[in-house]
Amino acid sequence: AQSVTQLGSHVSVSEGALVLLRCNYSSSVPPYLFWYVQYPNQGLQLLLKYTSAATLVKGINGFEAEFKKSETSFHLTKPSAHMSDAAEYFCALLSGGYQKVTFGIGTKLQVIP
Amino acid sequence: EAQVTQNPRYLITVTGKKLTVTCSQNMNHEYMSWYRQDPGLGLRQIYYSMNVEVTDKGDVPEGYKVSRKEKRNFPLILESPSPNQTSLYFCASKGSSGGTDTQYFGPGTRLTVL
Repeated sequence: AQSVTQLGSHVSVSEGALVLLRCNYSSSVPPYLFWYVQYPNQGLQLLLKYTSAATLVKGINGFEAEFKKSETSFHLTKPSAHMSDAAEYFCALLSGGYQKVTFGIGTKLQVIP
Repeated sequence: EAQVTQNPRYLITVTGKKLTVTCSQNMNHEYMSWYRQDPGLGLRQIYYSMNVEVTDKGDVPEGYKVSRKEKRNFPLILESPSPNQTSLYFCASKGSSGGTDTQYFGPGTRLTVL
């Protein structure tokens, strides 16, 4: 069975500090992985996706993620947090012939001035 | 503007009263899907549709029905809502069923069942 684990349901960082949001996955087939962001009272917006090309994926708003097969991880990073990054972030796994999507429970990022 | 729309955005109802949440996309997407979002559980897939007249169960289909009579519309039907279906619901679509295209999400429908 496919699954996604996000470690840390709440993460706090200072403005300007490194952002690291963790995502580990379990999949019986080569995975396709996504990070989404959800701002308050809004739907989800795609940040970036890994689809078996480059293992280091760059997304919008300065975020990037690295696919590490040996660690079954796809952690999201940003070198310097901005106040506008405060949101909830979801890691997701595409499987089942690219039709079924499994989401992690989400990580709420708080940015402290 | 390319978008996924949902109606209503907010709904309060009572146990057992049938309701429908509509979802429509204007991008000619093949694939559409419904999710529910609950605190501490993230998003869970309810149903998805790979094309007109083709639907399949996600991870939490109990208590829900869907239909896909037209490509652009994918309504979610709760025949007899119960309080445990109180949740935030999202509809999403993507271009092709068999690919890794980006999913586009609607703004969400907050449902409360009393």
